[in-house]
Amino acid sequence: NAGVTQTPKFRILKIGQSMTLQCTQDMNHNYMYWYRQDPGMGLKLIYYSVGAGITDKGEVPNGYNVSRSTTEDFPLRLELAAPSQTSVYFCASRTGTGNEKLFFGSGTQLSVL
Amino acid sequence: GEDVEQSLFLSVREGDSSVINCTYTDSSSTYLYWYKQEPGAGLQLLTYIFSNMDMKQDQRLTVLLNKKDKHLSLRIADTQTGDSAIYFCAESSTGGYNKLIFGAGTRLAVHP
Repeated sequence: NAGVTQTPKFRILKIGQSMTLQCTQDMNHNYMYWYRQDPGMGLKLIYYSVGAGITDKGEVPNGYNVSRSTTEDFPLRLELAAPSQTSVYFCASRTGTGNEKLFFGSGTQLSVL
Repeated sequence: GEDVEQSLFLSVREGDSSVINCTYTDSSSTYLYWYKQEPGAGLQLLTYIFSNMDMKQDQRLTVLLNKKDKHLSLRIADTQTGDSAIYFCAESSTGGYNKLIFGAGTRLAVHP
């Protein structure tokens, strides 16, 4: 079982560049999330989606965009990369019918220089 | 606002018990969670407790919840080197999308 798959695992960007972090899940989960993890900090929610075509902002959405055209995919877009976006990014999913655990991808480590 | 706090580091000897503590602020949290993160990996759910319980045991893991003090703890019995990881406490918010609020994580180091 693949679960939640994120690509790439590592990326270095120059200031002002753009990129898309990919996330796909094969569990037919309705809810998907993007978190960022900064050193010594808890995970902060960037964006989430409760189903295809529905997205909404989390705690720290500035500088990011998302789309959810299919149940499986939830890409995160950085339009103008800034050093403050250097972080580890985690995608997660869950079924959405009650209390279920979040399934996490293995993360994307992004450095903006 | 909602907040979850944990100590950042804990060192224990192999075979001893580890106790990782967490405090939270949202008294309306319905579930509280413990996640484990190994190096280079995503978070994995270890265990969770419903807010109307005060204790849950699962093999070597014991979760204690003091709802009055908003204090959650995770006890790992007979700690092994494979338990070395970062442990995150999280609470579920009452928001419509059931957002999880994570603590900063406690790094557990197990030494011989």
